[in-house]
Amino acid sequence: KQEVTQIPAALSVPEGENLVLNCSFTDSAIYNLQWFRQDPGKGLTSLLLIQSSQREQTSGRLNASLDKSSGRSTLYIAASQPGDSATYLCAGASGNTPLVFGKGTRLSVIA
Amino acid sequence: EPEVTQTPSHQVTQMGQEVILRCVPISNHLYFYWYRQILGQKVEFLVSFYNNEISEKSEIFDDQFSVERPDGSNFTLKIRSTKLEDSAMYFCADGAGYGNEQFFGPGTRLTVL
Repeated sequence: KQEVTQIPAALSVPEGENLVLNCSFTDSAIYNLQWFRQDPGKGLTSLLLIQSSQREQTSGRLNASLDKSSGRSTLYIAASQPGDSATYLCAGASGNTPLVFGKGTRLSVIA
Repeated sequence: EPEVTQTPSHQVTQMGQEVILRCVPISNHLYFYWYRQILGQKVEFLVSFYNNEISEKSEIFDDQFSVERPDGSNFTLKIRSTKLEDSAMYFCADGAGYGNEQFFGPGTRLTVL
């Protein structure tokens, strides 16, 4: 059964800093991994999807990597801005199974 | 850009009452899901729906829950007799195909009193 863990639970950085959010999963047969952003009281916005055959995906200032052998994914945010403040969730799926979510990392970018 | 929509945004109900949460998925997507998030906890899977039938459900999705796609566009989640512990944010999600990216709606906040 897939389990997803995110560390740290919360992170505070000054504006402009590059940062890395970590996600680990237990089932290396993961089919894809998806990163989401959640603002307080709001829905989930999909940021990036990495298929198991891919090593990384990029969208603007965001870069996500996937290492199945070590059971890890990272989300790299370049030149962070106060508007990046939110909770970032990772979720993995094994085949056509539902997404299994981590608890998220709450990011605060201080101006 | 197409998006998943959900109504209502907030539903308050008395314990024991029935509620129906509604979702309009993206039109050409084939896989539909309901998830929920209790305040401060992880997003949890409830049920997936494909080809007009349930394809998978979690332990949470007991006989009190049902899903339906009544008219080919709407996708509903019904809770027959709500309990206090059903209070949560309920998210509808969809995907274009097998293993594709899932897109989430804005959620319905259900409060059971």
